Amino acid sequence: QVQLQESGPGLVKPSETLSLTCNVSGDSISRYHWNWIRQSPGKGLEWIGYIYSTASTNYNPSLESRVTMSIDRSKNQFSLKLRSVTAADTAVYYCARLREWGMGFDPWGQGTLVTVSS
Amino acid sequence: DIQMTQSPSSLSASVGERVTISCRASRNIDKNLNWYQQKPGKAPKLLIYGTSNLQSGVPSRFSGSGSGTDFTLTISSQQPEDFATYFCQQSYTNPRTFGQGTKVEIK
Repeated sequence: QVQLQESGPGLVKPSETLSLTCNVSGDSISRYHWNWIRQSPGKGLEWIGYIYSTASTNYNPSLESRVTMSIDRSKNQFSLKLRSVTAADTAVYYCARLREWGMGFDPWGQGTLVTVSS
Repeated sequence: DIQMTQSPSSLSASVGERVTISCRASRNIDKNLNWYQQKPGKAPKLLIYGTSNLQSGVPSRFSGSGSGTDFTLTISSQQPEDFATYFCQQSYTNPRTFGQGTKVEIK
């Protein structure tokens, strides 16, 4: 059974960098696309981007200037960095797998709430 | 970006009732449409992919239809565990985008 688990600080100061990691168990990270998605009351569900096993990435243009994703095959995990955060980046952040282009995201991690506040 | 619009935003239904949720894309997405169910405090769960393909383990009372810009999720007989929020999502192109959600409440 594939499981994803997010980890990282729950509180980040404005203008700093949000850093999260997603640990994958039950599947190899050396295949498929690995995604970050966030959810906030104001903006609903927002796809942040994905990283493929080759480390190629595709980011949402709305966030592209501030986002970096990376992959660590030795630890079977992938990471998200979001720079220069503001209160608008406060959200529950999820990681999720995408097996094929036209398919949906499945499974998802349980999500982690990140609050941007001084 | 492709905008996804769901209707209604919320609805009330009784157990056993047939429930229909609509999703409209701002442009053609062929059949690249997925549906998710989300319960409070939980991550979304994939129900249907590619418009009408039931994800493994999802009850057959859930079904999906449509193509192009108009899509429908149907629950043939609403069960107590089906009270939740439902989202559509297009997988036609990046950036992937979601509908704003439809909350199904108990009547």
